[in-house]
Amino acid sequence: DAKTTQPPSMDCAEGRAANLPCNHSTISGNEYVYWYRQIHSQGPQYIIHGLKNNETNEMASLIITEDRKSSTLILPHATLRDTAVYYCIVRVAYSGGGADGLTFGKGTHLIIQP
Amino acid sequence: EADIYQTPRYLVIGTGKKITLECSQTMGHDKMYWYQQDPGMELHLIHYSYGVNSTEKGDLSSESTVSRIRTEHFPLTLESARPSHTSQYLCASSEIGGASQTQYFGPGTRLLVL
Repeated sequence: DAKTTQPPSMDCAEGRAANLPCNHSTISGNEYVYWYRQIHSQGPQYIIHGLKNNETNEMASLIITEDRKSSTLILPHATLRDTAVYYCIVRVAYSGGGADGLTFGKGTHLIIQP
Repeated sequence: EADIYQTPRYLVIGTGKKITLECSQTMGHDKMYWYQQDPGMELHLIHYSYGVNSTEKGDLSSESTVSRIRTEHFPLTLESARPSHTSQYLCASSEIGGASQTQYFGPGTRLLVL
């Protein structure tokens, strides 16, 4: 799986959009970009994923650059409950075989300020 | 929200006791996983299963065992708990096949062995 680079921490004011960047310059054509977050002491929470096109769901939007070398996760109206560590990972689409465990790296600690 | 549940959420137990951590999911997913995570540290895959009667060891060696008698249920057992087993245990599940296979996590069980 390709390596990703994220800033270690970011602040955002409550109610504003939080934009979290991720660089994945060695991404392969069959690799997806996934975002998860982990709130202190809880299990990781899936947020969104995409291959080439921008994606949006009820939690967030994912913007992937045309060359696919970077992406941005957007939380449109951040709340205090969005304070968490956000992980960007790049993975091939497995067919179900093997130990396809997730590896998160350091992630970005997003702190929402009141 | 993912429909994957873990009990207990917290467990404090003495050395030598047998414990079973429960995990169940209602999404009909064939593949299930157990991860171990220490505070602020990386996830480590310890067990996974492709479906009923399938169990495999993950990347990190663990003294725990798992079983998969029903699709929705994937319990983890420690026959004799030791202080070195103190950690957070996370269960996850995913579909098999398809273009991408998102893993959905439960809330975790925090285990403290005295």
